[in-house]
Amino acid sequence: TQLLEQSPQFLSIQEGENLTVYCNSSSVFSSLQWYRQEPGEGPVLLVTVVTGGEVKKLKRLTFQFGDARKDSSLHITAAQPGDTGLYLCAGVWTNAGKSTFGDGTTLTVKP
Amino acid sequence: EAGVAQSPRYKIIEKRQSVAFWCNPISGHATLYWYQQILGQGPKLLIQFQNNGVVDDSQLPKDRFSAERLKGVDSTLKIQPAKLEDSAVYLCASSSRRAGTSGGYRTDTQYFGPGTRLTVL
Repeated sequence: TQLLEQSPQFLSIQEGENLTVYCNSSSVFSSLQWYRQEPGEGPVLLVTVVTGGEVKKLKRLTFQFGDARKDSSLHITAAQPGDTGLYLCAGVWTNAGKSTFGDGTTLTVKP
Repeated sequence: EAGVAQSPRYKIIEKRQSVAFWCNPISGHATLYWYQQILGQGPKLLIQFQNNGVVDDSQLPKDRFSAERLKGVDSTLKIQPAKLEDSAVYLCASSSRRAGTSGGYRTDTQYFGPGTRLTVL
């Protein structure tokens, strides 16, 4: 079973602070996805990274895929209360497109 | 474009009872997924359909769980009989990935419904 470990499990910060959350595995993935899930809703895809070393930016969010395609990070600059939610990473590791999700980082941004 | 629809949104049952969940994917999406998300954990894939065929059901507890997608559109997930540990959110997702995609690998976007929160007492 391919396992994804996310850290930290919980993160509570003040508005305006920067933060980084991590997604690590001993397995190599074909691609890796980051989702955000709000209470009472399903996860929503933020980004897919495919190439080792790839960096993608989405406004204040920066996603990086490790060179060996085993790990990834999500950096948020100047966090806002609207960034509050559960951030999930999912490794995609077969040609059938099967995903394995981590257990997520719960982010709370206080105004 | 309408999103993935799920019903009911909430269900409370007693252990050993039966329950069924319904999912209507995004129109035209060939692939449909059912996930179980226990509180504090990430979604765990239960079953994946490609049109009306099962692609992966390796993590589906087949002694109590069943799922079908008879016409390749809507899907139902059933639990019979329910256990306390089945309390979770059941998420349905769909994607436009089609079988027989030639050459290479493609990561398709999965669109999730809002889920059904099941409480087993």
